[in-house]
Amino acid sequence: QKEVEQNSGPLSVPEGAIASLNCTYSDRGSQSFFWYRQYSGKSPELIMSIYSNGDKEDGRFTAQLNKASQYVSLLIRDSQPSDSATYLCAVNIRKLTGGGNKLTFGTGTQLKVEL
Amino acid sequence: KAGVTQTPRYLIKTRGQQVTLSCSPISGHRSVSWYQQTPGQGLQFLFEYFSETQRNKGNFPGRFSGRQFSNSRSEMNVSTLELGDSALYLCASSLNDRIQETQYFGPGTRLLVL
Repeated sequence: QKEVEQNSGPLSVPEGAIASLNCTYSDRGSQSFFWYRQYSGKSPELIMSIYSNGDKEDGRFTAQLNKASQYVSLLIRDSQPSDSATYLCAVNIRKLTGGGNKLTFGTGTQLKVEL
Repeated sequence: KAGVTQTPRYLIKTRGQQVTLSCSPISGHRSVSWYQQTPGQGLQFLFEYFSETQRNKGNFPGRFSGRQFSNSRSEMNVSTLELGDSALYLCASSLNDRIQETQYFGPGTRLLVL
């Protein structure tokens, strides 16, 4: 079982619709969760971070975390063509001793927003 | 505030050579992590440095090494290059090593091994 799993897509949604991106993780010790967006040929840029169960909203983006189900999602409202990119789910798993962080990424979901 | 910078941006090497990549974190950031991104394996964690100490290491062979300097700048080195080392190498910095710290990525160094 992969540590972080995402559907690779592509996920196609019409302009103005809600895009729903999902991610599951295997390590129950995971403590912080991030969504990054990556355009082709560019480096990842942070969209949202979430640490507690529930929803966190930032503009058109809402991150949802359910630690019991080991599931984190990203909703993009009013999707725009400029949202077309690969969305990477990342989970920070801290070592039990000695500190240190390790971001583990899913393979990413390609989102296409169509006119 | 300037972002994470990485040099060089592009590099072509041949098998058996070694390469050193450099990363300057965001001013004030003390933690630097390195990642390798390939189409087949995605983004994979290489190592993390904080206060000049390697705090965590991914599952890569010993040919991959790194270090961090007192000004938080970091370098990674790959010795005896193999074709499979062709990848985008990304550096990310965060303010400190708390688990909720966000990591900010640099533009990456694209390495091609021939």
